[in-house]
Amino acid sequence: SQTIHQWPATLVQPVGSPLSLECTVEGTSNPNLYWYRQAAGRGLQLLFYSVGIGQISSEVPQNLSASRPQDRQFILSSKKLLLSDSGFYLCAGLRAGFYEQYFGPGTRLTVT
Amino acid sequence: EDQVTQSPEALRLQEGESSSLNCSYTVSGLRGLFWYRQDPGKGPEFLFTLYSAGEEKEKERLKATLTKKESFLHITAPKPEDSATYLCAVGAMTGTASKLTFGTGTRLQVTL
Repeated sequence: SQTIHQWPATLVQPVGSPLSLECTVEGTSNPNLYWYRQAAGRGLQLLFYSVGIGQISSEVPQNLSASRPQDRQFILSSKKLLLSDSGFYLCAGLRAGFYEQYFGPGTRLTVT
Repeated sequence: EDQVTQSPEALRLQEGESSSLNCSYTVSGLRGLFWYRQDPGKGPEFLFTLYSAGEEKEKERLKATLTKKESFLHITAPKPEDSATYLCAVGAMTGTASKLTFGTGTRLQVTL
């Protein structure tokens, strides 16, 4: 079975500072990978997904970007954080040939 | 556009008091109806996938069913440890990628 790792678990950053959140996957190769944001009281909003190394699709135009430098590594970045970037960020993976996604533990980001 | 609506938003049950959570959906080309459990501050935990109308799946006190327009998560004789937010999602294909659209969840509280 696959395991999704995310770090850090919590992060407090000032407005205008850069961001880098990392997600790694164990137990499967060539997974589809996803970044979601969950705001309080709201559902999961898909931000980016990737079907392979260097292949990134963006769902929502915003202050964030994503990269996939290795098969099992997915990174979420920002050059300058906004207050509205605060939220709970989740990485998910999906094994080729399956439809259910498995989630990591999440990163709680607070922009002050 | 794919849409998922969950009801009720919140549900409070006494231990042993059975009930059902509803998930209604519209999707082009369903690739699975998914149920997840999410505890506060954690990533969603996969529970079930249902693929076709009439399908049912069970796990301990939970039973998920699917029709062409909605899914139900039945909770029989719940215990306090069943307290969590239950998320429903529909899967669809976009090009070569599988994507999930989530509802906003039902917050379940089970009291003694």
